[in-house]
Amino acid sequence: QVQLQESGPGLVKPSQTLSLTCTVSGDSIDNGDFYWSWIRQPPRKGLEWIGYIYKSGSTYYNPSLKSRITFSVDTSKNQFSLKLSSVTAADTAVYYCARESFRETIDYWGQGTLVTVSS
Amino acid sequence: IQLTQSPSSLSASVGDRVTITCRASQGIGTYLAWYQQRPGKAPKVLIYAASTLQSGVPSRFSGSGSGTDFTLTISSLQPEDFATYFCQQLNSYPRTFGQGTKLEIK
Repeated sequence: QVQLQESGPGLVKPSQTLSLTCTVSGDSIDNGDFYWSWIRQPPRKGLEWIGYIYKSGSTYYNPSLKSRITFSVDTSKNQFSLKLSSVTAADTAVYYCARESFRETIDYWGQGTLVTVSS
Repeated sequence: IQLTQSPSSLSASVGDRVTITCRASQGIGTYLAWYQQRPGKAPKVLIYAASTLQSGVPSRFSGSGSGTDFTLTISSLQPEDFATYFCQQLNSYPRTFGQGTKLEIK
């Protein structure tokens, strides 16, 4: 059973950088043809797809956030990470890491972690 | 690609048959998934490829459609089905979600 777990600070100050890591267990990031993704959900709102990173390190970022996002992957630790710079209150959300089976579905999700942007 | 779900909210009773629709702003073939989200939980996939039931999901859930118009049907509502439902297109990037349909108990 594949499991994903987000970790990182729950509070970030405005203008600073939000950093989250997703640890994958139950399978290797190197196995299969999966796209390791980040999705966020502001309080009481809908889902916003942030982007993905592939095991090779290739990425796709949502154009709405592209100038502020950086993804990375560490296959030796079976982890992938998100950095979002210059955050504002609008970036307050529950952040999910997830696995996409290409063009089929997001079949595994982390439990989500709430990140609040506030001074 | 914009996805528009209707209705945004729905009140129904246990045993009812309900249908939620998702319309795409352009054709996406059958690259559509449906998710259920309970409060405080991560979404869970119900249907992928527009009509394929995810393993372990009860058969009262079904999906149909292709191109721009899709539906999720719950044939006989159970108490655990009261939740929010989202569609997602996986045809192109960036991936996008519908705004959600909140299913409430009447």
